[in-house]
Amino acid sequence: QVTLKESGPALVRPTQTLTLTCTFSGFSLTTSGMRVSWIRQPPGKALEWLGRIDWDDDKIYSTSLKTRLTISKDTSKNQVVLALTNVDPVDTATYYCARIPATGGIDYWGQGILVTVSS
Amino acid sequence: DIVLTQSPATLSLSPGERATLSCRASQSVSTYLAWYQQKPGQTPRLLIYDASKRATGIPARFSGSGSGTDFTLTISNLEPEDFAVYYCHQRNNWPPWSFGQGTRVEIK
Repeated sequence: QVTLKESGPALVRPTQTLTLTCTFSGFSLTTSGMRVSWIRQPPGKALEWLGRIDWDDDKIYSTSLKTRLTISKDTSKNQVVLALTNVDPVDTATYYCARIPATGGIDYWGQGILVTVSS
Repeated sequence: DIVLTQSPATLSLSPGERATLSCRASQSVSTYLAWYQQKPGQTPRLLIYDASKRATGIPARFSGSGSGTDFTLTISNLEPEDFAVYYCHQRNNWPPWSFGQGTRVEIK
């Protein structure tokens, strides 16, 4: 059974760094072709793809966020970590981690975590 | 980055009607295009991947077509549970992935 779950703070102050952890089970990020992505959705708005990390540790980031975003993994713990620096109220959103196998689309999503950026 | 433009923004239809949703990419994504359905308070659900392949458990009334820059999601014979927001998503290897802005299918 594949599951993913995001954890981290619900409230972050402007200019701080947001760190979220995605803990997953039921698959391995060492499997060839496997990927985990971070996606966010501001309240009432569309999905926004943030970045991904691949089984071979390759990382691709959204062009608009690449100067502030870092994604890393710890395969021994089955975790993927997102770090977003210098946050602003516009970064307020529900953040999702999701699994993407070698073929197909995003087939499993975490439940999401609502992060509010406010002073 | 590749920009995905979905149209229309809102589609007002009655149950039993046919819905046709469009997704246009700013450059070719081959067939690396997926469609998701999202209902209020829920996570997105994969409907179609690789432009035309139905995901596991998705009813046959959902179909996808297209390649390159123009894609279509068709829902034949809308059921009450199909009223939701639909997003397209491209997963070309490079540039970075992206989502469309969504099409809301609402009850007329």
